[in-house]
Amino acid sequence: QLQLQESGPGLVKPSQTLSLNCTVSGASITSSSYYWGWIRQSPTQGLEWIGNFFFRGNTNYNPSLKSRVTISVDTSKNQFSLELTSVSAADTAVYYCVRRPHNIYCTGPSCYFDYWGQGTLVTVSS
Amino acid sequence: DIVMTQSPDSLAVPLGERATINCKSSQSLLYDSNNKNYLAWYQQKPGQPPKLLIYWASTRESGVPDRFSGTGSGTDFTLTISSLQAEDVAIYYCQQYFRTLAITFGQGTRLEIE
Repeated sequence: QLQLQESGPGLVKPSQTLSLNCTVSGASITSSSYYWGWIRQSPTQGLEWIGNFFFRGNTNYNPSLKSRVTISVDTSKNQFSLELTSVSAADTAVYYCVRRPHNIYCTGPSCYFDYWGQGTLVTVSS
Repeated sequence: DIVMTQSPDSLAVPLGERATINCKSSQSLLYDSNNKNYLAWYQQKPGQPPKLLIYWASTRESGVPDRFSGTGSGTDFTLTISSLQAEDVAIYYCQQYFRTLAITFGQGTRLEIE
């Protein structure tokens, strides 16, 4: 059964870098059938797509966050990571790792998300 | 960006009755080349991540009860629960994924039992 598990610090200071990992079990992140990525949720911004990657292709980021976001991959651990630089209180949110299909209809940068991790709360505060 | 607007923000429906949630997009989500509407619906219960219910506006995800249905095309979409059950209390979100980097979600509709 597919599981996505987020991990990382729950508290980050303003101006520092937020770093999270997502460990995937039950599927391979090198699969040609899926993209993997991150979404966050806050009371003020609602649900916000951050970015995703396709192992055999490219990585896409939300244009509004692109200058601060990096998604990287560690295939040896079947894990992918999120880095968000120069954080502020506005980046306080629950961060989810997610999976989306890659098929003849979802070939572009966007699709629906069929699996979500449980989420991890990250608070930005001094 | 495509703006997704849900209505109402909240609603209360008696058990066993029909619940209807609307979602309107600021531009058409119908892609003419494949005749598909790039619209999904999610259910989120307290303390849980969103769960995919419907994609392509009307295709039910595996395991989702058939009391959930999605309709609509272009800019206007509806999620209907035909007979509300206690376990359906949740917040419901629509999401557009119309061939763009700027995936966006609606603000959510809170559904309660009357």
